Amino acid sequence: GEDVEQSLFLSVREGDSSVINCTYTDSSSTYLYWYKQEPGAGLQLLTYIFSNMDMKQDQRLTVLLNKKDKHLSLRIADTQTGDSAIYFCAERGTSGTYKYIFGTGTRLKVLA
Amino acid sequence: NAGVTQTPKFRVLKTGQSMTLLCAQDMNHEYMYWYRQDPGMGLRLIHYSVGEGTTAKGEVPDGYNVSRLKKQNFLLGLESAAPSQTSVYFCASSYPTAEQYFGPGTRLTVT
Repeated sequence: GEDVEQSLFLSVREGDSSVINCTYTDSSSTYLYWYKQEPGAGLQLLTYIFSNMDMKQDQRLTVLLNKKDKHLSLRIADTQTGDSAIYFCAERGTSGTYKYIFGTGTRLKVLA
Repeated sequence: NAGVTQTPKFRVLKTGQSMTLLCAQDMNHEYMYWYRQDPGMGLRLIHYSVGEGTTAKGEVPDGYNVSRLKKQNFLLGLESAAPSQTSVYFCASSYPTAEQYFGPGTRLTVT
């Protein structure tokens, strides 16, 4: 079945770049998403990429998609303490528009 | 717009008690979802709905029931709560081919 995997933790220093990685198994995925969850809150959509794109940039965020390896990454430039949160990647396949598969989440800790 | 709201925010139940979680959205979204979030397991889909009056099972539906009597509301019921249902519950809504919008969550503890 479909699966989305992420590493559980990442720690970076303030001002450095963060790279959060995600691998997925469903080659029919049409959209891939990155969500951010701050403590005690719901998930907030950060950005997304369509499966026919390799890269998408949005201010400090860069999303890279390698369809051959089924690998998605989120790069946060100039990481700030306010970026400390859990980051989830999610894929939406074509087997049913309702079906989103979420990764386990990566907890990013930014050290001052 | 309020977006997606959930009530209550917190609840403690004893084993065997029942309760209903309410999700409401004001974005006129067709699709609504209930997830549970447990440490190290990400989000798992409990039930979902593709329109008023329709519901379907997700990945972990056992022990839960849902209803979608009005387009803007999606209710999640626990008929006989168990400690394994201690979790944070999130509701989400979306248009059929677009990203999901999430509520703030309900933290449920079953003792």
